[in-house]
Amino acid sequence: DQQVKQNSPSLSVQEGRISILNCDYTNSMFDYFLWYKKYPAEGPTFLISISSIKDKNEDGRFTVFLNKSAKHLSLHIVPSQPGDSAVYFCAASVGGSQGNLIFGKGTKLSVKP
Amino acid sequence: DTGVSQNPRHKITKRGQNVTFRCDPISEHNRLYWYRQTLGQGPEFLTYFQNEAQLEKSRLLSDRFSAERPKGSFSTLEIQRTEQGDSAMYLCASSFGHHEGETQYFGPGTRLLVL
Repeated sequence: DQQVKQNSPSLSVQEGRISILNCDYTNSMFDYFLWYKKYPAEGPTFLISISSIKDKNEDGRFTVFLNKSAKHLSLHIVPSQPGDSAVYFCAASVGGSQGNLIFGKGTKLSVKP
Repeated sequence: DTGVSQNPRHKITKRGQNVTFRCDPISEHNRLYWYRQTLGQGPEFLTYFQNEAQLEKSRLLSDRFSAERPKGSFSTLEIQRTEQGDSAMYLCASSFGHHEGETQYFGPGTRLLVL
């Protein structure tokens, strides 16, 4: 039973436009959410996180939105750049990330010049 | 380089052999995690240490797997009697406590192929 779901396996966006990656979760005990970016043959690289006490967190071109009532979060990348092309993983944890992260299956983002 | 490092980066072995991987966390991080990732999946939690204590183990961690973190520094993950199903990327991550939540920083991974 998947507790963290990324329902879009892939997304293609034009350079300069907005990329929106979505993530749904089922466990209402999750209280910390993270987004990671992964290039082939490398480990995941941390992008941005959000605590359940917030509904938005921004870091440069990256913004994460959390809708607790819908158990949904999204990552917005504006403007998208070709270097953003990678697989993006959503992850969640209980207890402020003490212990294991539960990951989605990832969304492959392609940003076309 | 002050990131998480893992060795070796690649390992090819024959079924039935034992393999050992090493992870060196970011130096001030007291927590260390092992994950496994297979094709088309996100990383799956295996086990985690706080300092030298192993605090949590996933049901994915069969009795052929053992992890250690002597002296709370580097960690090793050993797989005994490897099987073809053990072929995966093995990822190590480390973190340090934060009032809002911890961010786990990952190493580059060790890709294991069992023939």
